[in-house]
Amino acid sequence: QVQLQQSGPGLVKPSETLSLTCSVSGGSISRFFWSWIRQSPDKKLEYIGHMSHSGVTDYNPSFRSRATMFVDTSKNQFSLHLTSVTAADTAIYYCARLIITSDIFSLDFWGQGTLVTVSS
Amino acid sequence: IQMTQSPSSLSASVGARVTITCQASEDISNFVNWYQQKPGKAPKVLIQEASNLQTGVPSRFSGGGSGTHFIFTISSLQPEDTATYYCQHYHSVPITFGGGTKVEIK
Repeated sequence: QVQLQQSGPGLVKPSETLSLTCSVSGGSISRFFWSWIRQSPDKKLEYIGHMSHSGVTDYNPSFRSRATMFVDTSKNQFSLHLTSVTAADTAIYYCARLIITSDIFSLDFWGQGTLVTVSS
Repeated sequence: IQMTQSPSSLSASVGARVTITCQASEDISNFVNWYQQKPGKAPKVLIQEASNLQTGVPSRFSGGGSGTHFIFTISSLQPEDTATYYCQHYHSVPITFGGGTKVEIK
């Protein structure tokens, strides 16, 4: 069974960089795609983007200027950096495995979520 | 593409039939998933490609629709179905979710 374990700070200062890591167990990261999604305090879900195991990325245009995703296949983990954060970036951040075929685009396994608060 | 989900919340009795709708702002074929999120947990995919039940999901859950109008149904509501349900399109970037429907037991 694939499991995703998230790590990273729960508190980030305004204008600084949010950094989260997702460690994959029960399967190799060297297949599939890997995503980041966040959920704001009003429960709205927002798709940040995804990347392949080879590092090819596709970002939501709203995040393209601030988000960077990268994968470390040697550690079977992938990461998200989000720069210049503001209070509006306060949310629960989730990592997830993404299945993509010609007809399917499905987030089938999720991390436990990390509440990130942006505050000084 | 905007996904307008309704209602935002509902309360129904055990055994009732529950229907949630999602309206897309443009034609997205059948590129829609439905997720269930229980309090304090990550979302879980229930239905892919508008109507395909994910393996292991009870058959009381179903989905349908195409183009701009999509429906998610629970045929006989159970206490464990208390959750928030979200639609999500994947027709084009950016991927977006509906606003969610909170389902409670009356």
